[in-house]
Formats: sequence, structure tokens, C-alpha cells
Amino acid sequence: NAGVTQTPKFQVLKTGQSMTLQCAQDMNHEYMSWYRQDPGMGLRLIHYSVGAGITDQGEVPNGYNVSRSTTEDFPLRLLSAAPSQTSVYFCASSYHDQGREIGELFFGEGSRLTVL
Amino acid sequence: GIQVEQSPPDLILQEGANSTLRCNFSDSVNNLQWFHQNPWGQLINLFYIPSGTKQNGRLSATTVATERYSLLYISSSQTTDSGVYFCAVDNSGGSNYKLTFGKGTLLTVNP
Repeated sequence: NAGVTQTPKFQVLKTGQSMTLQCAQDMNHEYMSWYRQDPGMGLRLIHYSVGAGITDQGEVPNGYNVSRSTTEDFPLRLLSAAPSQTSVYFCASSYHDQGREIGELFFGEGSRLTVL
Repeated sequence: GIQVEQSPPDLILQEGANSTLRCNFSDSVNNLQWFHQNPWGQLINLFYIPSGTKQNGRLSATTVATERYSLLYISSSQTTDSGVYFCAVDNSGGSNYKLTFGKGTLLTVNP
């Protein structure tokens, strides 16, 4: 049982390049989410999903795209990277009954992205 | 949106001391979770505690939802307790399902 797996752990991009951060979980969790962590800002929600085919925006969605084609995977796409997207990105998942609160949240190990 | 404030922002302890971390929130919540981020960046869920008190070893947490706060107690602190402690609240409603995090408390435990 690997939990939540993120790849890559480190990435350096040039401004304007695109890339995808991968996230997979093997706990059959319906709820998956992406956060970014910046110094002094805590964790801010980018996008989340409550099940395959269902995604929604969080607090800071601009410049990011997501999709959820399977229960297990929730990739985060940067369409045209900017220096402001330099951050540490965390994927997280939890169980979730439709219409009820989010369950105990489990995090991946994080992906450190630098945009030059 | 809901505001989540944690205090103190920084805390330095000697090994063996006790501490209390506080999380205040501005609106009613469905649940609250506490996390520890260790110096290597890993985020570990400590408590899922919408109300009442829970204990796990030297750590315990209490949430008083009606008064909109939660407390995390660390007793007999160890150097391995160092890191950042976050609280996160879920005030999901309708079709929105979001956890909002506080900015954290940075705890340093010295030997």
C-alpha cells in the first residue's frame, strides 16, 4: 500500500514551458486535491476532485489545469509556466461520501518546482 | 471565505517541556484536522477532530466547535516534534468541498 505517490520530486522549468505533475493513490479515495506551499503562506488549494469526471477550482487555480479520468490518478498541468509558480506542490487524498464532509487527508511527499 | 488563524507563529522549547498550540476559525466547520510537517517536508495527519478530545501518545487535541477553536497539546516534547504544525478546517457546503489551512506554528525543540 503506497498511499499517495507524486512524481517528479524535483523539476526545473523555463518560463513558458509546460509540464504535468503526476499524482496517484491506491486507497480508493474519492477526494483528491492539489495544494501549493509557499513560505509564510501555508497550504493553498489549487484544484480538487470528488470523483472521476468531477473537478472544481480551489483558492489559486489560475495557470493550472486538472482532469480526473480514473479514481486513482489526478494530474496537475502547468500550461505555460511562470516564475510565480515556483513552489512546492502537494497532492492529497481522502475518503469522501457525496454530500458529506472531507475525510482524513493523506499527503504525498511533495514536488519542488522551480521556474526560471 | 473562512479565516483560520494559528498561534503562536513560532515556538521554541527545551526538550521535555509542554506546549499548547491554538487554531481559531471564523465560521462553523464540519471538521478540523491537525497536521505535522517535519523538517524534511513530509505532512502527516495527527488528528481528525470535529469536536471533543482525542489523544495519541504524548499528543492530544481538543476542538470546541461552538466557540470556534481547537487546541493541540504536546507533552514532554522531543526533538523529533520539531517542524510546522498546521490546522485545517472543512466548512464545505453545497457542492464545494474544500479544506482551508492556517499558516502554521513553527515549533523548534532543542536538546
